Amino acid sequence: DQQVKQNSPSLSVQEGRISILNCDYTNSMFDYFLWYKKYPAEGPTFLISISSIKDKNEDGRFTVFLNKSAKHLSLHIVPSQPGDSAVYFCAASGTASKLTFGTGTRLQVTL
Amino acid sequence: NAGVTQTPKFQVLKTGQSMTLQCAQDMNHEYMSWYRQDPGMGLRLIHYSVGAGITDQGEVPNGYNVSRSTTEDFPLRLLSAAPSQTSVYFCASRKPGVETQYFGPGTRLLVL
Repeated sequence: DQQVKQNSPSLSVQEGRISILNCDYTNSMFDYFLWYKKYPAEGPTFLISISSIKDKNEDGRFTVFLNKSAKHLSLHIVPSQPGDSAVYFCAASGTASKLTFGTGTRLQVTL
Repeated sequence: NAGVTQTPKFQVLKTGQSMTLQCAQDMNHEYMSWYRQDPGMGLRLIHYSVGAGITDQGEVPNGYNVSRSTTEDFPLRLLSAAPSQTSVYFCASRKPGVETQYFGPGTRLLVL
């Protein structure tokens, strides 16, 4: 049972345009959400997070939106840059403080 | 700070062999975890520890053992490797009360 889902395995976006990565979850006990970025042959690195008491968090070019009623969050990257090409994982945390990861979305930013 | 380090980077095992994947962190983080990453599956939690002497099972613990004798180290043991354990293994650490985890570079394991 996949509690955190990233239904788009891949996404291709032109440089300078907006990248929107989506994530859905099923467990209503999740109260903290994170996005990680992963380059090949490296470990995931933390990108941005949001608490369930907020609906938006912004950090430079990266913004995460949370819609609790829809159990949906999204990561917006504006403007997209070639260095953003990576696999992005959505993760959720609940009362046990254990992270549940989605399956990842591979973003390709083209010139 | 070296952060989270993992050894080896790559390992080939035969079915039935045993090995230990090493993980160490120098950030004085109490929480440490082991994940495996498989194609189309994301990262799945194997075992985790909230402090020295305390470990617990994650989502996919079968075939793996862990121990936590020090804050710094959290080794993962495969007692009898199986082809289904072919994967990339990541160790992570964090402070209590802080959700952000720091990951090591990973160990790629191939079991023949």
